[in-house]
Amino acid sequence: GENVEQHPSTLSVQEGDSAVIKCTYSDSASNYFPWYKQELGKGPQLIIDIRSNVGEKKDQRIAVTLNKTAKHFSLHITETQPEDSAVYFCAARGSDGGATNKLIFGTGTLLAVQP
Amino acid sequence: NAGVTQTPKFRILKIGQSMTLQCTQDMNHNYMYWYRQDPGMGLKLIYYSVGAGITDKGEVPNGYNVSRSTTEDFPLRLELAAPSQTSVYFCATTDSSSGNTIYFGEGSWLTVV
Repeated sequence: GENVEQHPSTLSVQEGDSAVIKCTYSDSASNYFPWYKQELGKGPQLIIDIRSNVGEKKDQRIAVTLNKTAKHFSLHITETQPEDSAVYFCAARGSDGGATNKLIFGTGTLLAVQP
Repeated sequence: NAGVTQTPKFRILKIGQSMTLQCTQDMNHNYMYWYRQDPGMGLKLIYYSVGAGITDKGEVPNGYNVSRSTTEDFPLRLELAAPSQTSVYFCATTDSSSGNTIYFGEGSWLTVV
C-alpha cells in the first residue's frame, strides 16, 4: 500500500521568510495530494491540493509542487505570518483509494513563525 | 451548517471499560472515516464506510468496531479500553459533491488509565 514520508518534523522561520515542507510517496499510481493545516485543539483543514495531471498550483501565499517522476511533492508558504504557525500534514490517495477516497497521511510538520 | 460533529470532546476511561465515540454529519456525504492521531505519528485510518450499511477496516482496526446504519451517523466503539488506545480521534467525511475534499470533525481526546 501507499506510504508517505514528511520532512522536516519541525520548522522554525522568521516572520516574512518562506517555509518549505516536503513529502515523498511510494505508490506511483497515486493521483491526489492534499495538504492540511491543523491548529491547536482543532481538526485538520484542507488548505491546498494537487492532482497528478498538474505540476504546480498556487493560492495566494501558498503553493504546492508535484514531481511524479521522483514521487515527491512540496508545500511552499511565502511571506510567513504568525497565524501560519500550526501543524501541516501532507497526504496521498493511493491506487487502492480510488473507490474509497482513503488518504494516507504524513507524520506532520510543526511550523513555528517567529514574530 | 454544523458539518462534522463529534462527541464527546474529552473522555477518561478506565482499562477494560467500553465506550462509543459519536460522529454525525449533515452534508449527506457517503464516505465516512475514523482516524486516530498519536504524537509524531500522523493520522492513521481505523475504519471507513463508503455508504450506509457498508464498513471496512483501515490500517489500525484492532480493538475497535463501527456501524453505519444511516448516512449521517458513524459511531466508533471501543469494547475493552487499553492504554494503547489513548489518542485523539477524528471523524471525517467526503463525497464527490464536495470535490472529494475530506472534512474533519474537531476531534475527541480519549485517555485510558
